Amino acid sequence: KNEVEQSPQNLTAQEGEFITINCSYSVGISALHWLQQHPGGGIVSLFMLSSGKKKHGRLIATINIQEKHSSLHITASHPRDSAVYICAVNRNTGNQFYFGTGTSLTVIP
Amino acid sequence: DAGITQSPRHKVTETGTPVTLRCHQTENHRYMYWYRQDPGHGLRLIHYSYGVKDTDKGEVSDGYSVSRSKTEDFLLTLESATSSQTSVYFCAIRSDSLNTEAFFGQGTRLTVV
Repeated sequence: KNEVEQSPQNLTAQEGEFITINCSYSVGISALHWLQQHPGGGIVSLFMLSSGKKKHGRLIATINIQEKHSSLHITASHPRDSAVYICAVNRNTGNQFYFGTGTSLTVIP
Repeated sequence: DAGITQSPRHKVTETGTPVTLRCHQTENHRYMYWYRQDPGHGLRLIHYSYGVKDTDKGEVSDGYSVSRSKTEDFLLTLESATSSQTSVYFCAIRSDSLNTEAFFGQGTRLTVV
């Protein structure tokens, strides 16, 4: 079983919709990351969280350490948000990252 | 953008040939990582480095070796490429501070025929 699970695997939304992507993890962590990958593109870090909530533009990330769960929200979605969103964690031991398999988001105009 | 570049960006090679991918950073970060990305598997760690000449294996290290002779360069070598090593390879860097972001290269698409 993967240490990091994401849902849904695939998501299609109409432009303007509110979107939520979920991430659950089963290990102790020191930080959780949300990453974005456009088709054929590189990987960009959106957020790093160790507690609470962060907001950047239309993107909001939350984490509940007790429940081992994080969500990434996109408000007023736009076709340019179409990408794969990846959840990753730093375990609280060691120097490695552990990745979910990603959520593929398509926003239709 | 963090200063991290991968080369080459695309490569096609024949089975059995050695291949070296390069990751170069200008951030003076301590940690460097090589991952492969395959459909259905997400990013999987091949090797990582925690300093010059200090490296360790990841979960999918068989068939790969690495070297880090300078802080800025981390090389990944496929000793004898196989079709199963066809993948997209990403390098990442991270500073020494606890809980810092990782910065990723643009990826190298390798096809072994």
